[in-house]
Amino acid sequence: AQTVTQSQPEMSVQEAETVTLSCTYDTSESDYYLFWYKQPPSRQMILVIRQEAYKQQNATENRFSVNFQKAAKSFSLKISDSQLGDAAMYFCAYRTWAGSYQLTFGKGTKLSVIP
Amino acid sequence: GAVVSQHPSRVICKSGTSVKIECRSLDFQATTMFWYRQFPKQSLMLMATSNEGSKATYEQGVEKDKFLINHASLTLSTLTVTSAHPEDSSFYICSARSPGAEVGEAFFGQGTRLTVV
Repeated sequence: AQTVTQSQPEMSVQEAETVTLSCTYDTSESDYYLFWYKQPPSRQMILVIRQEAYKQQNATENRFSVNFQKAAKSFSLKISDSQLGDAAMYFCAYRTWAGSYQLTFGKGTKLSVIP
Repeated sequence: GAVVSQHPSRVICKSGTSVKIECRSLDFQATTMFWYRQFPKQSLMLMATSNEGSKATYEQGVEKDKFLINHASLTLSTLTVTSAHPEDSSFYICSARSPGAEVGEAFFGQGTRLTVV
């Protein structure tokens, strides 16, 4: 079974600064997907960024980028130019390559943005 | 992106009664939907996989007789919490995959806050 670990229960960042959220995972598979989801106070889950394991290039979506280290099974999220609206719970998630679309989530990191 | 609507967003019920939560895919057909449960300040835990036209697949430790799942159409899955007790109070979230979405992406409903008193 796959496991996802987020070792930072809470993080804070000054507005306009950069913050990195950590995620490690354990799997015996060679192909899979990794995701970062944002859950604001509304509780709606919002996809931030995805990474296919076969791709060596790190995914980037505007101010959000990942550092994917497949050998180390590490998948960190970097948020640049942090904004007040970035404050939320961030969940790292794993999905197998084939079959079901069910996700395995980490415990989450609560990000606070300081004005 | 595809839209998944969950209803109700909040519900309070008395202990011993049953509550039904609906998950609808509004602009796509979803052969598979997923039901997650989220305890306060904790992660989402998969409860079951809902398959249109067939029985749901439950995760280990989830009581299928307590959490009834019906996926009767390609746009609707329902989760019924039967004989609810205070320990069933939680946040329930559904998700579905849109066939037209990029590979790997699932869309989530807004969630339902269930409080059993």
